[in-house]
Amino acid sequence: QAQLVQSGAEVKKPGASVRISCTASGYTLTSFYTHWVRQAPGQGLEWMAIIDSTGGWSTYTQKFQGRVTVTTDYLDVNSLTFEDTALYFCAREAPGTGNLDLWGPGTLVTVSS
Amino acid sequence: QSALTQPASVSGSPGQSITISCTGTDVGRSDHVSWYQQHPGKAPQVVIFGVSKRPSGVSDRFSGSKSAKTASLTISGLHLEDEADYYCCALAPGSVYVFGGGTKVTVL
Repeated sequence: QAQLVQSGAEVKKPGASVRISCTASGYTLTSFYTHWVRQAPGQGLEWMAIIDSTGGWSTYTQKFQGRVTVTTDYLDVNSLTFEDTALYFCAREAPGTGNLDLWGPGTLVTVSS
Repeated sequence: QSALTQPASVSGSPGQSITISCTGTDVGRSDHVSWYQQHPGKAPQVVIFGVSKRPSGVSDRFSGSKSAKTASLTISGLHLEDEADYYCCALAPGSVYVFGGGTKVTVL
């Protein structure tokens, strides 16, 4: 059964960095794009970034450019602030469909002093 | 990228039909409009993609459409398990995506 497996919850101090991994199980990740989406407590979904199946192309929403890096395996967020406390999801897309058809369970990142 | 506007809440009785709207410039210029259902504490699940395509395994009670800058998700024959948050999503210029603010569906 296809699934996305994400790394465990993290607690970080302001100014620190965090790396969240996303691993495909039961299918070949190289056939899909990977999206990253986050959700602050009690808030809506916020799209962050996308990377293609080879890692050769990626795009970030303007808000995160320069502070976030994605690879085919993980998401890095630098210079964390309290506002980065959120559940971070990875999701796959069959290229060109806009269909995020499989989501990871989410990784909770808590930024606390 | 522009914002996508959804109503904060929509409600209906079991068996009724409800429609959730999603309005924004990016909806108007994209065929990649999708809808996601999210139950509390769970990851989102796609119910509609490509404006009106329904993934296999999704009930045919879910349907999508678009007119100008507004996309719509209709849930027919409302079930109790349809109570959830629903988010629209559209592809924007620069190959980025944007989500709507979400709509809480309550089954009365």
